[in-house]
Amino acid sequence: EAAVTQSPRNKVTVTGGNVTLSCRQTNSHNYMYWYRQDTGHGLRLIHYSYGAGNLQIGDVPDGYKATRTTQEDFFLLLELASPSQTSLYFCASSEGTGGQLYFGEGSKLTVL
Amino acid sequence: GQQVQQSPASLVLQEGENAELQCNFSTSLNSMQWFYQRPGGSLVSLFYNPSGTKHSGRLTSTTVIKERRSSLHISSSQTTDSGTYLCAYSNNRIFFGDGTQLVVKP
Repeated sequence: EAAVTQSPRNKVTVTGGNVTLSCRQTNSHNYMYWYRQDTGHGLRLIHYSYGAGNLQIGDVPDGYKATRTTQEDFFLLLELASPSQTSLYFCASSEGTGGQLYFGEGSKLTVL
Repeated sequence: GQQVQQSPASLVLQEGENAELQCNFSTSLNSMQWFYQRPGGSLVSLFYNPSGTKHSGRLTSTTVIKERRSSLHISSSQTTDSGTYLCAYSNNRIFFGDGTQLVVKP
């Protein structure tokens, strides 16, 4: 069974704060993704990567950086958090763009 | 434009009733997946079904590529089926529908 682990599961920060969300997958998948989910918008792609050192821009990248340090690890960085970034964040992995998606448990971020 | 249309947006059932959820997509696809999102937020993969019909317990997924649609059938619904059902299809990108919110009443 594929495994994708996110941390932290819950995070509260203040406006202007610095936040890093971590994701690790143990499936040896090439692709990893960061999504945010908000009421009324569904799942929206922030950034994705097809391998260590690679980064691709998604649909809602503004205010976010990401880094894929290894095959297993993909980080989402919010360097100056804003209340509009309060959301539920999901990490996912897949073998390829047409492969089955495996999601982490989600990280709830609140920016006050 | 909207790549994936899910219907209905919401559905209320009495326990024991059946449900048919639809997902229509606008372009050719490489894969189709269905997910269940628990009220607490976590996502559970139900089916990876690029084409044809697959069964899992009371759930059946059918994808008809040339008609650009996929359906999820829930038979004999239970209160524990309540939650949000999401479909996602991919060609070179993955596109998610907005989901169907299902409430099953006892």
